[in-house]
Amino acid sequence: GAGVSQSPSNKVTEKGKDVELRCDPISGHTALYWYRQSLGQGLEFLIYFQGNSAPDKSGLPSDRFSAERTGGSVSTLTIQRTQQEDSAVYLCASSLDFNADTIYFGEGSWLTVV
Amino acid sequence: SQKIEQNSEALNIQEGKTATLTCNYTNYSPAYLQWYRQDPGRGPVFLLLIRENEKEKRKERLKVTFDTTLKQSLFHITASQPADSATYLCALEDTGGFKTIFGAGTRLFVKA
Repeated sequence: GAGVSQSPSNKVTEKGKDVELRCDPISGHTALYWYRQSLGQGLEFLIYFQGNSAPDKSGLPSDRFSAERTGGSVSTLTIQRTQQEDSAVYLCASSLDFNADTIYFGEGSWLTVV
Repeated sequence: SQKIEQNSEALNIQEGKTATLTCNYTNYSPAYLQWYRQDPGRGPVFLLLIRENEKEKRKERLKVTFDTTLKQSLFHITASQPADSATYLCALEDTGGFKTIFGAGTRLFVKA
């Protein structure tokens, strides 16, 4: 596609439910990143994919968070047993490869846990 | 520990003036540093990249400097316009080179 596409754009869920957030990167981009941004805060790195593998999962805040990427394209970030502190914007970004100078962001998935 | 610091207070300036935003970092030796713009409710958008061997980079009304001795980058917007009002994020590559680390951003308000 022309840009990084994320869905859903907004999600309200009840505490304790699982949620899945989807990212469709720019076609041909091998590197894919997930970030989290809480209200008024900076971007917090979660996980990085190169192709289908995730060399760096260091930012995942707990074992309730997981992510996968299949076919070197679409990625899914899953949050199990959501908590209120998980409420944030989840931003996906992609780049040509991990050496690329520029990363391109999607518009984010706004998650609210009530 | 590694840290990126940007002015947490919003910057308010008058239209036509030059806005200057600061980014300081510690315990990094990045090969390059980037600046992004983020509008409310939107994802960040890449603006400029400056490499460690470059002192200054310009793009239209934007100018970025990079002082690796001071571990500081300055981001200037000349002849500022109300449409420049946004949050500006400083970013640099993590030591391992696999991910980009972002500062918290500085909110800029340009008044007409």
